[in-house]
Amino acid sequence: KQEVTQIPAALSVPEGENLVLNCSFTDSAIYNLQWFRQDPGKGLTSLLLIQSSQREQTSGRLNASLDKSSGRSTLYIAASQPGDSATYLCAVSEETSGSRLTFGEGTQLTVNP
Amino acid sequence: ETGVTQTPRHLVMGMTNKKSLKCEQHLGHNAMYWYKQSAKKPLELMFVYNFKEQTENNSVPSRFSPECPNSSHLFLHLHTLQPEDSALYLCASSQGVGSGGFNIQYFGAGTRLSVL
Repeated sequence: KQEVTQIPAALSVPEGENLVLNCSFTDSAIYNLQWFRQDPGKGLTSLLLIQSSQREQTSGRLNASLDKSSGRSTLYIAASQPGDSATYLCAVSEETSGSRLTFGEGTQLTVNP
Repeated sequence: ETGVTQTPRHLVMGMTNKKSLKCEQHLGHNAMYWYKQSAKKPLELMFVYNFKEQTENNSVPSRFSPECPNSSHLFLHLHTLQPEDSALYLCASSQGVGSGGFNIQYFGAGTRLSVL
């Protein structure tokens, strides 16, 4: 059974810092990996999707990497801003069923002005 | 707005009540999903529907009864729930299921359910 772990569970940083969120998964037979953002009381917004054949994806200040063989992904946020404060979730989809997403518990990020 | 609308946003119900959660997507997608997000736990997939047909039931208790009358609407009928069913229930949709880029899921804002 696939298990996804995110470290740290919570992170508080001053504005302007570059930071890294970590995600690991136990079964490397994934189809893709997604990073989501969840604001309090709101649903999930997809930030980046990395196909299993890719190594990284970038969107603005966000960069996500994937090492499928070691079961790891990182989300790098450059020059963090207070508006980045949210919970960041990592999810993997399985090769046999792309619709089944297995989520981590998330990292709660607070960026202080 | 993601194009996926859930109502109500908040719901309080007693254990003997019957209520329904509604999800509507305006994205022209064919697949819809129900997830449960409990405190201190990862999101759990509950049900998947593709072209109105249920394709996955993740061992969900029968007190949760999904209904998908068409590809745009998804309901979750609730009856005789337990306090431990209190959670955020999220709906999502995608163009399709399985491989390819079709499995990018778009989420609604969720219904916060409290069972007393």
